[in-house]
Amino acid sequence: QVTLKESGPVLVKPTETLTLTCTVSGFSLTNSRMGVSWIRQPPGKALEWLAYIFSDDKKSFRASLKSRLTISKDTSRSQVVLTMTNMEPVDTATYYCARVNLYPGSSWAYYFDYWGQGTVVPISS
Amino acid sequence: SYVLTQPPSVSVAPGETATVTCGGDNIRGKSVSWYQQKPGQAPVLVIYYDIDRPSGIPDRFSGSNSGSTAATLTISRVEAGDEADYYCQVWYSSSDQPVFGGGTKLTVL
Repeated sequence: QVTLKESGPVLVKPTETLTLTCTVSGFSLTNSRMGVSWIRQPPGKALEWLAYIFSDDKKSFRASLKSRLTISKDTSRSQVVLTMTNMEPVDTATYYCARVNLYPGSSWAYYFDYWGQGTVVPISS
Repeated sequence: SYVLTQPPSVSVAPGETATVTCGGDNIRGKSVSWYQQKPGQAPVLVIYYDIDRPSGIPDRFSGSNSGSTAATLTISRVEAGDEADYYCQVWYSSSDQPVFGGGTKLTVL
């Protein structure tokens, strides 16, 4: 059974750094066809992809946020950590982690097959 | 950057067929996935690789990506429980990054 669970602070102040942890089970972060991604959703708005990391440590970040984001993984603890610096009220959102899977036989057909429940991150002083 | 365009809303009566479109440049050459998100819940994958359904998703949900400008999600025999936001997504090869559409709110009348 594949599960992902996000954890992080209940409140973040402006200018602070956000650290979110995604703990996965039911699959390994060493699986070459899979990765973990972070996606956020401001209240009442659409999904917004932030970053991903794959087993070979390949990483990518949303262009508009690249300077503020880092992503890392701890394979032994089955965890993926996202940090976002200099948080602002506009960063208030529900943050999800999701498993990225690659369609068999394809080298480019990726999709998000399992999602965590999400963690709400309010930014307020 | 690559942009996916969805209609903000679609309304359908119970038992009828709902169609949600997802437009993008040369989308036919990309693999489209669809996600259902009910209020207060995480998104759920309902279609991937244009037409495949994960186990547990009813066969009332189907996908197509054979048109020239838009992929479609079709929900047959719509039920009240299908009321949700639906998002399309592709993996944009030029940037090697995923892109989501703006979402479509499906209302069951």
